Amino acid sequence: EDQVTQSPEALRLQEGESSSLNCSYTVSGLRGLFWYRQDPGKGPEFLFTLYSAGEEKEKERLKATLTKKESFLHITAPKPEDSATYLCAVQASGTYKYIFGTGTRLKVLA
Amino acid sequence: DTAVSQTPKYLVTQMGNDKSIKCEQNLGHDTMYWYKQDSKKFLKIMFSYNNKELIINETVPNRFSPKSPDKAHLNLHINSLELGDSAVYFCASSQDERGVSSGYTFGSGTRLTVV
Repeated sequence: EDQVTQSPEALRLQEGESSSLNCSYTVSGLRGLFWYRQDPGKGPEFLFTLYSAGEEKEKERLKATLTKKESFLHITAPKPEDSATYLCAVQASGTYKYIFGTGTRLKVLA
Repeated sequence: DTAVSQTPKYLVTQMGNDKSIKCEQNLGHDTMYWYKQDSKKFLKIMFSYNNKELIINETVPNRFSPKSPDKAHLNLHINSLELGDSAVYFCASSQDERGVSSGYTFGSGTRLTVV
C-alpha cells in the first residue's frame, strides 16, 4: 500500500538555525513527490515537484532533495515567516491520486 | 483576484441537515478536486473531475455527492449530515488530471461543524 510518513511532527527552531524535515515514502512506482506549505486557516501552497532520485529543487531558503525512499526539505537560516506546516505527498504511476503525509509543523522563533 | 474560491468559509449546521459547498476556479485548469482535512490535519482525496468527468471517486459515504456543471466549477452536496463529517473541506484545481508539473492550487477551505 502506498504510504507517506513525515518526521518530526513538530519542530521549533531559532531564527537562523538550519534544519531538515523528512518525508519517507512507499509507493509502487513514483510519478512525483510534492512539497506543500500550509499556513493556519489556509489551503496548502505548492512548493516543489521531484521526479526521480538525485533530483534537487530550491526556492529561497528551501531546498528539496529526493532518494529512492525519502525526501528531505532543508531549511537554511530560517526566518519567522517560514513558520507553517509542511506537507509531503506522492503520486504513484498509473494513478491520479496524491497520498499526503500528516505534515511537520515548523515554528521559527525570532 | 482569487484563483480558487470556496463558499462558504464557515458552515455550522445541525445533524441531519443537507448542505452544499461551492467552488470556482479562474485558472483555466482542466481538473478539480475535493479533499477532506481532519482534526489531525490529514488530507484525503474524496473526488476529482477532469473536464466535467468524474475520474476519482474514493470510498466516501454516498451522502456526499459532487457536481461539476462546467470545468470551472465543482460543488459538493452533503445529505443527512453527521457529527463525523465535521472537518475542513478543500477544493483544488490542477492543469491536468496528473497535477504533477505545477501541483495543485487549493482554495482556502470550508470549515464544516456539525452540532
